[in-house]
Amino acid sequence: AQSVTQLDSQVPVFEEAPVELRCNYSSSVSVYLFWYVQYPNQGLQLLLKYLSGSTLVKGINGFEAEFNKSQTSFHLRKPSVHISDTAEYFCAVSKSGGSYIPTFGRGTSLIVHP
Amino acid sequence: DGGITQSPKYLFRKEGQNVTLSCEQNLNHDAMYWYRQDPGQGLRLIYYSQIVNDFQKGDIAEGYSVSREKKESFPLTVTSAQKNPTAFYLCASARTGGTGELFFGEGSRLTVL
Repeated sequence: AQSVTQLDSQVPVFEEAPVELRCNYSSSVSVYLFWYVQYPNQGLQLLLKYLSGSTLVKGINGFEAEFNKSQTSFHLRKPSVHISDTAEYFCAVSKSGGSYIPTFGRGTSLIVHP
Repeated sequence: DGGITQSPKYLFRKEGQNVTLSCEQNLNHDAMYWYRQDPGQGLRLIYYSQIVNDFQKGDIAEGYSVSREKKESFPLTVTSAQKNPTAFYLCASARTGGTGELFFGEGSRLTVL
């Protein structure tokens, strides 16, 4: 079975500062990795995904994430955040070649202060 | 535009009443999912369906029922047996044989009074 741990439930940061949201996973097989963003009272939308190839993945809104197989991590980063980045962020993992039902982390609330 | 439509967006019901949440997709996806979201608990899988006329229980299926009579539709019924139904419900879909990337609807917030 696979699992996902988002190490911080809440991350406060000032506008224009860099941010890192941490995600660790466990799986005995190869995986696909995802980050989703959820704005208040809305559904989730995909920020970025790692399927294969380059371990540095770029997504929408200036976010990027790095897949580290040895540390089983997939941390999300942005060099300079905006107020509009305030949202809930979810990391998810699914087995490659499996039933494709993803497992989600509990989410990290990013709060950007002016 | 292709996407997933959930309705209603907000729903209030009295305790003991069954409630049905609608989910329709025009993405031609085979797989559809229902998740429940509570503050601080992330997303919990209620039911999923990978093909028409077939569905499987997720982690928290008790008190819920679904049907999958059409590829486009996957309604969720919250029954009176669900002990704590007040929550935000999310429907999602995915391509079978894909990567596990999910496409989500806008959600339905159910409040039981």
